[in-house]
Amino acid sequence: GDSVTQMEGPVTLSEEAFLTINCTYTATGYPSLFWYVQYPGEGLQLLLKATKADDKGSNKGFEATYRKETTSFHLEKGSVQVSDSAVYFCALSEEIDSWGKLQFGAGTQVVVTP
Amino acid sequence: EPEVTQTPSHQVTQMGQEVILRCVPISNHLYFYWYRQILGQKVEFLVSFYNNEISEKSEIFDDQFSVERPDGSNFTLKIRSTKLEDSAMYFCASSEWDLDRGNSPLHFGNGTRLTVT
Repeated sequence: GDSVTQMEGPVTLSEEAFLTINCTYTATGYPSLFWYVQYPGEGLQLLLKATKADDKGSNKGFEATYRKETTSFHLEKGSVQVSDSAVYFCALSEEIDSWGKLQFGAGTQVVVTP
Repeated sequence: EPEVTQTPSHQVTQMGQEVILRCVPISNHLYFYWYRQILGQKVEFLVSFYNNEISEKSEIFDDQFSVERPDGSNFTLKIRSTKLEDSAMYFCASSEWDLDRGNSPLHFGNGTRLTVT
């Protein structure tokens, strides 16, 4: 079945450091890929998405490129801030007509220190 | 920005009791979902709901679970006879119809932490 694997955390960084969170997936078809973020005490928020191979999703300085050849969707940010401290979830949806049934990775906690 | 709201934020119940988790989706959204996250585990899909009926459900969503949209604004998850292993964070989500894509990304609530003792 479909699955998402992402790097374990916590990832601890200093402010202005470069962040990469690895995410790989297995899927039978051509899934849509997502990164969600969960700030402390809040729900999951969509950070960015990509719906087909070579698409690049971007938002708030974060980027991820849908790589079909390596079945990856790694999240990157060039210069993190303390406010980026959160749990980041990679997810996929195999649904053709709906993005509602998501398969999530385990989440990666990111801690950014001043 | 419109939000999905969930109440209560924390619910404690005894094993065997019925519990109802409540959600108010974003008002113009048409698709509704429940997910759960057991502590230390992945966020898991439970059920999707559209046009007043279940669209899809996971293996987790057995006869002990039910969902309802009792009025135009609320969306509820009922667990009839709670078990210890039902302890988890339960997330409600909603999405709207998108003319181009047929759907849109999910908007999640902040979750209800259910503790079964």
